[in-house]
Amino acid sequence: EAQVTQNPRYLITVTGKKLTVTCSQNMNHEYMSWYRQDPGLGLRQIYYSMNVEVTDKGDVPEGYKVSRKEKRNFPLILESPSPNQTSLYFCASSLHRVGSYEQYFGPGTRLTVT
Amino acid sequence: DAKTTQPNSMESNEEEPVHLPCNHSTISGTDYIHWYRQLPSQGPEYVIHGLTSNVNNRMASLAIAEDRKSSTLILHRATLRDAAVYYCILRGQYSGGGADGLTFGKGTHLIIQP
Repeated sequence: EAQVTQNPRYLITVTGKKLTVTCSQNMNHEYMSWYRQDPGLGLRQIYYSMNVEVTDKGDVPEGYKVSRKEKRNFPLILESPSPNQTSLYFCASSLHRVGSYEQYFGPGTRLTVT
Repeated sequence: DAKTTQPNSMESNEEEPVHLPCNHSTISGTDYIHWYRQLPSQGPEYVIHGLTSNVNNRMASLAIAEDRKSSTLILHRATLRDAAVYYCILRGQYSGGGADGLTFGKGTHLIIQP
């Protein structure tokens, strides 16, 4: 089944403890992206990747890192999480960046930083 | 990407057709019209997209005005599972660098009455 998977689905952690949220897609998609969703603010892009080893900042990249060493994986790294990074995170992928391609979203990771 | 305008909410009865409107008067010639929906506690889900011609798929139909300044998502026979927030999004060509996310506005909250 074609899908985008994220792990973990739920995570409660403490301020400053490094964490990684994994994202993997099995559709050979070139384009991958991370969003965060907060009440009243909608979905905002954190980082995106046009292809392997190509990443760029979205609207809200501060406090996050990403890497794209393989086509299928696009992990989101929080080196020193803070409470303002408590949010619902979604990974998405698309065959190409071209506007004619739809994006597929993962199920989400709910992160709480205390 | 250009801005879209949608009603905040709409209500329909189960098993009846639903027409969800979207205005995008500043659409450019290369912008694709995408629709996504988000069910409670789930990631956004792709519904349909088009450029100029009307489009049909297993989930819905997309009717695009001749001047492309508006479009309508049509759910032919709504079910309770179609209750979600529906987003109309314009996706243009990659502009090179900078944020590149899908612009999720407030969307239309579709309520289905049994």
